Amino acid sequence: KAGVTQTPRYLIKTRGQQVTLSCSPISGHRSVSWYQQTPGQGLQFLFEYFSETQRNKGNFPGRFSGRQFSNSRSEMNVSTLELGDSALYLCASSPVGAKNIQYFGAGTRLSVL
Amino acid sequence: AQTVTQSQPEMSVQEAETVTLSCTYDTSESDYYLFWYKQPPSRQMILVIRQEAYKQQNATENRFSVNFQKAAKSFSLKISDSQLGDAAMYFCAYRSSTYTGTASKLTFGTGTRLQVTL
Repeated sequence: KAGVTQTPRYLIKTRGQQVTLSCSPISGHRSVSWYQQTPGQGLQFLFEYFSETQRNKGNFPGRFSGRQFSNSRSEMNVSTLELGDSALYLCASSPVGAKNIQYFGAGTRLSVL
Repeated sequence: AQTVTQSQPEMSVQEAETVTLSCTYDTSESDYYLFWYKQPPSRQMILVIRQEAYKQQNATENRFSVNFQKAAKSFSLKISDSQLGDAAMYFCAYRSSTYTGTASKLTFGTGTRLQVTL
């Protein structure tokens, strides 16, 4: 089985722009979660999507949004980029069920200049 | 809210030796899951081992084992016969067993960077 695929691997944007990141989960996984990783704040939960619905949301401003498509692929959007949005954005997919493991992609490194 | 604490920012071990990484957590829940993830320079988070809180037996996966002390809220990772490929950031993570609200998220510690020397 192919793993979790995130595209692009690297992005450079300037302040005020918007960006869209993509995540393709492992085949058969219906839950997709997003995390932000920074040196200062560590790994923080952004949101989780299941069956095209946002099920959970972390403590991030409304500039961070996402969606999930019928094939379980997910996109994350950040509008009006700020320097502090520079981070590694990780996507994880899992089968249904709290006991199930989250499998991570290699992430998208976003740099905001 | 749950918190996870890793008090060792960096650790070093010689090849073939044993090292233990520490993790403590705080929760009011009685049932939950604990994980150790490894993040090498390639950045991909890889699951090392998982422990279910209702199981008293410590989890093991080949050279990796945990010491789970539920009352003390401690969850340490022991790596035996360390190899160069074990060098990475190691993150301890908590997940509630209740699949409602924000319970499905992983709460991570700040990580421990493990160096393996010859």
